[in-house]
This record gives sequence, structure tokens and C-alpha cells, in this order.
Amino acid sequence: QKEVEQDPGPLSVPEGAIVSLNCTYSNSAFQYFMWYRQYSRKGPELLMYTYSSGNKEDGRFTAQVDKSSKYISLFIRDSQPSDSATYLCAMSPPNNAGNMLTFGGGTRLMVKP
Amino acid sequence: ETGVTQSPTHLIKTRGQQVTLRCSSQSGHNTVSWYQQALGQGPQFIFQYYREEENGRGNFPPRFSGLQFPNYSSELNVNALELDDSALYLCASSLQAGGGSFGYTFGSGTRLTVV
Repeated sequence: QKEVEQDPGPLSVPEGAIVSLNCTYSNSAFQYFMWYRQYSRKGPELLMYTYSSGNKEDGRFTAQVDKSSKYISLFIRDSQPSDSATYLCAMSPPNNAGNMLTFGGGTRLMVKP
Repeated sequence: ETGVTQSPTHLIKTRGQQVTLRCSSQSGHNTVSWYQQALGQGPQFIFQYYREEENGRGNFPPRFSGLQFPNYSSELNVNALELDDSALYLCASSLQAGGGSFGYTFGSGTRLTVV
């Protein structure tokens, strides 16, 4: 079993929909949680990061962490075709805060006009 | 110069050969990490360098080795290439200060194909 699990999709939604992306993890030591977006033939780009449990909002993006359930989510409001990409969750324990990330396998999102 | 640049962008090697991949860190960044991303998978941490020393290593065999230079550029070397080494190799730079660093900047990667 992988440390971080993520539904590979693809997830296809109409433009303007609310998108929910999720990851589950097994390592209770993870304290830093990140979401990356990766376009085809590009490197991952950091979207959001959170520490421990709670919510964080940035524009159309909201990240949620539920450490008791070992479950994190990324919500995208008013989705746009330009949001079509692979979304990767990533995590790390506090002793290497933000470094040496453990990634999920990625969810491919397609937003149709 | 901004951003992380990697070279070459694509590479084809034969099983058993050796390969060197290169990375120029983003200006002002002192830490470089390398990740392997197989097709359809998430990136897997190979190792990290900070001030020219290896600062952490993932579950990769010793035939994966690296260097970081005084200008913070970096190389990833892979010896005795195997077919399973075919992947996108990503370099990420960051500024490590205090307890950790965020805001990895990834390069676009080197696509290695081993035949």
C-alpha cells in the first residue's frame, strides 16, 4: 500500500463546476500538506500548502486537511478550461518541513467548455 | 535569470549505459532536490543537496548519485541504466532557511528513455 493514495481519474467536469480532489495517507507523522498542479510536459507548480489541520483559501482554491481521518482535499470553484491539468498532493513530516516530499499519484482533471 | 532550467529535455540511452542530467537552480536558491516521475505516477524523491552536501535520500540504489556545485547548480548521475529508469527526472530548487523550506520551484524535467 502506498503512503499517499490519490484517485488517478480522469475527472471530467463542465466549465463553472466545483471540483473536489482528494488524497488519503497512512503516515501520521505528516504535518505539511501541499497541492501541486502539473500541466503536460511541465514540472509541478505549487498551488497551496497548509500546516497540520484546517482550511486555507486562495482565490478559487480551498485546501482542507483532516488529520484525524488522514484525508486532505482541494476544492476549485468556478472551474475553467485552463484548470485542466494533473493535480498532485504532497506531504512531509515536520523534521524536514517542506523538503523530501511524498507525492500522491496525481488526479487528471479535464474542464470542458 | 529566473526559474529552474534542466538539460537535456529528452534523452535516449541504452541499458547498461551511464547518464548525467543537469539542473540550474533558481537565482537565490541554495537547495536542490531530484525526483523521478514514471509515466502516470507522482514524483518520487531521489535525494536533496544543501550547500554541496547530500541532505537526504529516498529509496534509490547507489547507482543514482548527485553533485551540487558552488553556484548551486546540480547534476544527477545514473550508472548501469535499467529499463525501469525510463521516466521524467525533475529538479526542484528552494531556499532553505531555519527549519525548512517551501516554494519548491520545479524545472520542466528531462525525459529519459532507456532502450
